[in-house]
Amino acid sequence: GENVEQHPSTLSVQEGDSAVIKCTYSDSASNYFPWYKQELGKGPQLIIDIRSNVGEKKDQRIAVTLNKTAKHFSLHITETQPEDSAVYFCAAPRSGNTPLVFGKGTRLSVIA
Amino acid sequence: EPEVTQTPSHQVTQMGQEVILRCVPISNHLYFYWYRQILGQKVEFLVSFYNNEISEKSEIFDDQFSVERPDGSNFTLKIRSTKLEDSAMYFCASSYTGNYYGYTFGSGTRLTVV
Repeated sequence: GENVEQHPSTLSVQEGDSAVIKCTYSDSASNYFPWYKQELGKGPQLIIDIRSNVGEKKDQRIAVTLNKTAKHFSLHITETQPEDSAVYFCAAPRSGNTPLVFGKGTRLSVIA
Repeated sequence: EPEVTQTPSHQVTQMGQEVILRCVPISNHLYFYWYRQILGQKVEFLVSFYNNEISEKSEIFDDQFSVERPDGSNFTLKIRSTKLEDSAMYFCASSYTGNYYGYTFGSGTRLTVV
């Protein structure tokens, strides 16, 4: 089955700097890679996703890159703001359209 | 924006008691999921539900757990005889097409077993 590894577990950046969170997955058949943001006391919220037919996707200050050969994908946040502070989870399906398997999460702290 | 609604937000129960966690998925969604998150840990898959039946379940989802869609709007998770280790946040999620457009999660039910 799919195994999703996420690094780092914690990340502190100065406001305005960039943050990068990386994930690796094990199942080469996986074709969908979402990122979720979880704020305190709330459920995970989808912030960006990428499918295996593209290598990069961008939405304002957030971007995701995918390297299918190496089986890793990364979340990039530029010009970080205090409200970006949260726990971020990557995920991948076990295979095809099966339920998502989540990474262990990265606690991002943006210091003003 | 459509939401997934979960009730109650917090439930305290005694060990051995039955609990039912309730979810109202987004109305036109077809796939439904339960996940749990033990404090400070990752989000773990429990079960998925499609076309009125379980489509997949994890090793966590043993005989103590069951799911039901009793009507056209509610989706429930029942734990028959709660154990201390069932204490966690339980998240319901729904999706229109499975993975193609991602899942929408509810805000969760914090279950505390004492």
